[in-house]
Amino acid sequence: AQKVTQAQTEISVVEKEDVTLDCVYETRDTTYYLFWYKQPPSGELVFLIRRNSFDEQNEISGRYSWNFQKSTSSFNFTITASQVVDSAVYFCALSEASKAAGNKLTFGGGTRVLVKP
Amino acid sequence: KAGVTQTPRYLIKTRGQQVTLSCSPISGHRSVSWYQQTPGQGLQFLFEYFSETQRNKGNFPGRFSGRQFSNSRSEMNVSTLELGDSALYLCASSLAGDSNQPQHFGDGTRLSIL
Repeated sequence: AQKVTQAQTEISVVEKEDVTLDCVYETRDTTYYLFWYKQPPSGELVFLIRRNSFDEQNEISGRYSWNFQKSTSSFNFTITASQVVDSAVYFCALSEASKAAGNKLTFGGGTRVLVKP
Repeated sequence: KAGVTQTPRYLIKTRGQQVTLSCSPISGHRSVSWYQQTPGQGLQFLFEYFSETQRNKGNFPGRFSGRQFSNSRSEMNVSTLELGDSALYLCASSLAGDSNQPQHFGDGTRLSIL
């Protein structure tokens, strides 16, 4: 069975500091997909990024970047130069490519990020 | 393009009652998934529908059920409500049935059981 672990429950930073969120996953599938979602106080989950298991290239998108390492089953996410609007709960999620899994997302417990002005 | 719409936003029920929640996916999206979010258990997958068929189901009792209509709109039903069913229920839609497609979430329905 798949599992996603976010060891950090809460991170507090001052504006403009960088924030790195850790995510470790477990799966028996060889093909899978990893996601990061953001949940602001309004409650809606907002899709941020996606990574395929067969593509370990790390990328940067604006102030977001991610570090995917298959060897350690980790998919860490960094917000550069944090802003107050980045305050939210961030979830790492995993979906497996098998047909039986369908579109099921397995979420980590979430990391609450508080950015202080 | 309109996002995922969930109704109602808030709902208060008492134990033993039943409730129906509605979800309208993004236009053109054929897959609809439901999740339950609680402080204790976090985000848990309930079920997924694709082309009116339930494709996958999470580890929830049979009191939780759902369906999808031909226009991809979905409803979930919870019967014989228990206090532990108090949660934020989130609906998500995606374009096709592939698990690599990002799911787009609605604002959720917050259900409180008294």
